[in-house]
Amino acid sequence: EDQVTQSPEALRLQEGESSSLNCSYTVSGLRGLFWYRQDPGKGPEFLFTLYSAGEEKEKERLKATLTKKESFLHITAPKPEDSATYLCAVLETGANSKLTFGKGITLSVRP
Amino acid sequence: ETGVTQTPRHLVMGMTNKKSLKCEQHLGHNAMYWYKQSAKKPLELMFVYNFKEQTENNSVPSRFSPECPNSSHLFLHLHTLQPEDSALYLCASSQGGGFGTYEQYFGPGTRLTVT
Repeated sequence: EDQVTQSPEALRLQEGESSSLNCSYTVSGLRGLFWYRQDPGKGPEFLFTLYSAGEEKEKERLKATLTKKESFLHITAPKPEDSATYLCAVLETGANSKLTFGKGITLSVRP
Repeated sequence: ETGVTQTPRHLVMGMTNKKSLKCEQHLGHNAMYWYKQSAKKPLELMFVYNFKEQTENNSVPSRFSPECPNSSHLFLHLHTLQPEDSALYLCASSQGGGFGTYEQYFGPGTRLTVT
């Protein structure tokens, strides 16, 4: 069973059409949840870290929220330059924990 | 630019070749990582180094050999690879020992093709 599941796999939006990307996770204890953006041919770019349920963080048109089972990345009035793959990763509690990534959500915003 | 550089950006090699990937970070971080990214799959952690010491080897085949001479440089030595090893290889670094709660910063990756 995947520990981190992202949905939908791909999302196409019209410019200005707000939406949300979902990341659901199953871990015994969460140390942190991370959102990254990845453009084609580039490495992932760090966006946010969330540590506890109820926490929210914002950056320009993006807002990340966290519950005990999932995180949402809300995109408000997206622009074509927001087109990218968005990756979610979780870090469990424990001495030897490591980041577990989801498969990512490919977002395409049409002008 | 994230402060993490990787060379080469693209590499094509035959199955009998030996090559090396290089990563350098200019962020003053203490931990460095190698990941493999294949199409339609999540990022796979390969190796972790904390303060130059390897702390994680995620069941990676011996044809991949990492080297970390100091906290700023990381190498991945490749030999007798298989076509299924073709992928994007990403280097990352983070502050602090191991994963902690510190975010990782990634380089642009090396696109490897094994023929």
